[in-house]
Amino acid sequence: GAVVSQHPSRVICKSGTSVKIECRSLDFQATTMFWYRQFPKQSLMLMATSNEGSKATYEQGVEKDKFLINHASLTLSTLTVTSAHPEDSSFYICSAKPPRQGSYGYTFGSGTRLTVV
Amino acid sequence: DAKTTQPPSMDCAEGRAANLPCNHSTISGNEYVYWYRQIHSQGPQYIIHGLKNNETNEMASLIITEDRKSSTLILPHATLRDTAVYYCIVLSYSGGGADGLTFGKGTHLIIQP
Repeated sequence: GAVVSQHPSRVICKSGTSVKIECRSLDFQATTMFWYRQFPKQSLMLMATSNEGSKATYEQGVEKDKFLINHASLTLSTLTVTSAHPEDSSFYICSAKPPRQGSYGYTFGSGTRLTVV
Repeated sequence: DAKTTQPPSMDCAEGRAANLPCNHSTISGNEYVYWYRQIHSQGPQYIIHGLKNNETNEMASLIITEDRKSSTLILPHATLRDTAVYYCIVLSYSGGGADGLTFGKGTHLIIQP
């Protein structure tokens, strides 16, 4: 099956700084990747859709200038949380869409626990 | 995408079969039923998916009713490691475009020793 690698798994940063999270598809080319956010005891919420070579599409209520997404290659998408605030502390998860409807579903990274202090 | 309804929680004894139901009464003809699970503080893990036929893989079986309005995920011999939140999602797969998965609240399955 497809493998998605996400780094870092945990990060602590100070308020006002920026943090970059990487999501890599290891054994397939991912034209489309997704970024989710999950607060404690809640379900995953889709933040944005990242398409290789084009601008990301953000869900309603997600600030595109705060959550910068870059999908410059078919195997790498990055999410940068800019000017982080404590309320940005959350579990961020990326996912890659398989190139075709196949024997496996969408593949998820292991997630990044962001704590802003 | 069609909405799904799942019980918020279920218990199952270790070694027994865990049967997790999902209602998706508004599913359309080209929508698949996907099941994922999320173990605490990890990314979701794909389990199985199907369109209208029953499916089985090394992890689980998926039983879809003939009218496709509901389905059941079966973990044949549950272990403590199967304790997780299980999500049932319906999705129409398309070659492109924005079709990220929409997660409901899922079912928190607790395997009891």
